[in-house]
Amino acid sequence: AQSVSQHNHHVILSEAASLELGCNYSYGGTVNLFWYVQYPGQHLQLLLKYFSGDPLVKGIKGFEAEFIKSKFSFNLRKPSVQWSDTAEYFCAVIFTGGGNKLTFGTGTQLKVEL
Amino acid sequence: SQTIHQWPATLVQPVGSPLSLECTVEGTSNPNLYWYRQAAGRGLQLLFYSVGIGQISSEVPQNLSASRPQDRQFILSSKKLLLSDSGFYLCAWSRGQGGSPLHFGNGTRLTVT
Repeated sequence: AQSVSQHNHHVILSEAASLELGCNYSYGGTVNLFWYVQYPGQHLQLLLKYFSGDPLVKGIKGFEAEFIKSKFSFNLRKPSVQWSDTAEYFCAVIFTGGGNKLTFGTGTQLKVEL
Repeated sequence: SQTIHQWPATLVQPVGSPLSLECTVEGTSNPNLYWYRQAAGRGLQLLFYSVGIGQISSEVPQNLSASRPQDRQFILSSKKLLLSDSGFYLCAWSRGQGGSPLHFGNGTRLTVT
């Protein structure tokens, strides 16, 4: 069955540190890839998405993600995190042939310390 | 612009009581509608998915059911709640095109006592 894995469950960084959150999926077909973010007390919101084309996609607030098809990965990166980036981050995948159903990873809780 | 409303925000119900959570979308027509449950450390689990009125796909066998009586209304129900139904329930919508991102409501925190 198709699945999405986020191996880092909790990450603690200092401000200005670089961030990379891992996301891998298991499926050999075409996928649409997303990162969602949930700030404390707020609803889930879209950070960035990949459908096709340039595998390096840029999202809001300085985030970017790279789709590496050979590694079945879609890692999220930010060169320099801020305290306001403290949130829970979810990778999500739409597997083609499965309608428009989004399958989520288990999430990564990021805490940025001053 | 499109908006999604989900209520109530919090709910405490005794075991064995019925449940009805409501979700409505405004500003769009014929959306895909979803119910997810979010549990700490387990991400978001898709419960139900609907592409049109009266069309419901159940993803996980459980004590819950869903209905879509109107184009932009999606209801999550249970006849008798179990303790294990406690959780954070999220409604979401997307456009009908494949690959469209989901837009989430603010969620309902359900505690079954």
